[in-house]
Amino acid sequence: KAGVTQTPRYLIKTRGQQVTLSCSPISGHRSVSWYQQTPGQGLQFLFEYFSETQRNKGNFPGRFSGRQFSNSRSEMNVSTLELGDSALYLCASSLSASGGGETQYFGPGTRLLVL
Amino acid sequence: GDSVTQMEGPVTLSEEAFLTINCTYTATGYPSLFWYVQYPGEGLQLLLKATKADDKGSNKGFEATYRKETTSFHLEKGSVQVSDSAVYFCALSVRTGANSKLTFGKGITLSVRP
Repeated sequence: KAGVTQTPRYLIKTRGQQVTLSCSPISGHRSVSWYQQTPGQGLQFLFEYFSETQRNKGNFPGRFSGRQFSNSRSEMNVSTLELGDSALYLCASSLSASGGGETQYFGPGTRLLVL
Repeated sequence: GDSVTQMEGPVTLSEEAFLTINCTYTATGYPSLFWYVQYPGEGLQLLLKATKADDKGSNKGFEATYRKETTSFHLEKGSVQVSDSAVYFCALSVRTGANSKLTFGKGITLSVRP
């Protein structure tokens, strides 16, 4: 099976712009989660989608949003970019029929640089 | 809330040395425990996992045992290789939750010298 794919891999934006990142989960996986990785804060949970519904949300401002499509592909959007949004954004998928405790499989990430 | 604490790094070892990376956790429910590894410029790869007390996860010579009494999940390898140089993350996911959220430790960088 193909792994989790993320596009684009690299992105450069300027402050105030918005950005959309895309994630395609492993075939058959219905849960998609997003994480932000920075040197200072480490890995932080953004949100999780399951069957097109947001199932859980981390402690991020409303500028961060996401959605999931009927084929389980997911997008996340960051509006009004700030310098501090520069990070590696990781997407993970899991079967997640039951929810907690299941293994998540990660994509290669999208590295976002905000200038 | 849930949290994971990893030992401070970085760690530098010579090839064939013994490796231990400490990880302890606090959880609101019954967690599954994971070790993920991140190579330079890549995403996270699952290294091993354990889903209940006293389970031992193992992969590629790495091992970790789920110790409920000490709330620990220490990673060990008997003989490290240069190719093991990477960042290692301990993580948990609470099994009683209705979501798959992973809570991570800060990660530790391992460098192995030839």
